[in-house]
Formats: sequence, structure tokens, C-alpha cells
Amino acid sequence: DQQVKQNSPSLSVQEGRISILNCDYTNSMFDYFLWYKKYPAEGPTFLISISSIKDKNEDGRFTVFLNKSAKHLSLHIVPSQPGDSAVYFCAATGGTSYGKLTFGQGTILTVHP
Amino acid sequence: GAGVSQTPSNKVTEKGKYVELRCDPISGHTALYWYRQSLGQGPEFLIYFQGTGAADDSGLPNDRFFAVRPEGSVSTLKIQRTERGDSAVYLCASSPGQGSTEAFFGQGTRLTVV
Repeated sequence: DQQVKQNSPSLSVQEGRISILNCDYTNSMFDYFLWYKKYPAEGPTFLISISSIKDKNEDGRFTVFLNKSAKHLSLHIVPSQPGDSAVYFCAATGGTSYGKLTFGQGTILTVHP
Repeated sequence: GAGVSQTPSNKVTEKGKYVELRCDPISGHTALYWYRQSLGQGPEFLIYFQGTGAADDSGLPNDRFFAVRPEGSVSTLKIQRTERGDSAVYLCASSPGQGSTEAFFGQGTRLTVV
């Protein structure tokens, strides 16, 4: 049972445009959500997070939106840069297993110059 | 070092052999996690330590897998009688303490069982 889903395996965007990565979850106990970025042969690195008490969190070019009623979150990158090309993972935690992360399958983002 | 360190970075072993994977967390981090990532998938939780004890081992797939953290710092993931299906990247992460949600990951150990 995939509790966190990223339905788009890949996304291709032109440099300077907006990248929108989507994530859906099913477990209503999740109350904290994170995005990680991963380059080949490296471990995931934390990008941005959001608590369920908020619906938006912004950090520079990165903004995460949370729609609790739809159990959906998205990561917006504006403007996209070629160095943003990586695999992006959505992760969630909450309830009695706080700290243990449940990850989505990942979306490969390619930003073309 | 400044980050989470995992050794070896690559390990090739024969089916049926025993392997140990090591993780050195960030100094002072009390929480330590092991995840497994198969090709095309996201990391999958295996086990979580708070200090020396395993707080949650619900992700270990079977009794061939075992992990220890005897002094609350370095951790070793042990896999007995390896199978080809165990081939994956094994990721370790640490965080400052219980309830800390931002985990810092190592680069992983790529295990290949032939």
C-alpha cells in the first residue's frame, strides 16, 4: 500500500520557467511533509518542509503548498535552473511514528538550458 | 566528519553470504535511521534507533536483517544469507533527537548480490 504517491515519474522544464512537482498521500495521521532532492550517487538532501497547520511555506525559489482536504502537496520551483535537475522525493511523517519518513517514488526533474 | 558517513560505498557479495554495512551519524545526533532504496523507488524505512535501542524495527523485511547501535553512535546493518532481492542502495540518516523531522542522509551503500 503506497501511502505517499508521486504519479509523475519525470518532468521536463525550460530554464527560467516554473517547475511543479506533485505528491498525494492517503494516511490522515501524516502531519508533517518534506521534500528531498537527490543527485546520482549521493544521499537525499533536505529541501523544504511544511507542517499541517500551514498551507504554504516558502524558501527562496522553492514553495511548498499543502491541501489537507485533498491530501495533496506540491513543490513549486521558480525560476527553474539547470542545477535543479535531480530526483525529487516527497516524504511524510506523523502519528506514533514521528520522525520515520514514508517516501514517494520520486520525480526526475530535468531543466533544459 | 561533518555529515553522515557510510561504508563501504559499494559492496558486491555472493548469494548466501553475510554482509555488514556501517553508518557513522553526525556527532551528537541521537536518532538514527536505516532505509533501503530499490531502483526506481523511494527510500523505504527499515529501522529507527533512539540512542542505543531500536525504537521501531517494523520495516525490517525478515529475520535475516538485523541492526545494532551498541554505544548510541555508530550503527551496523547486518544481513545474513543474502539473496539477489536484497540488492539495493542502503541509506542511513541521522537527526538531532526524537521528534526531529529533518533527517540528514549519508551517500548510501550500494549492495549487489550476485
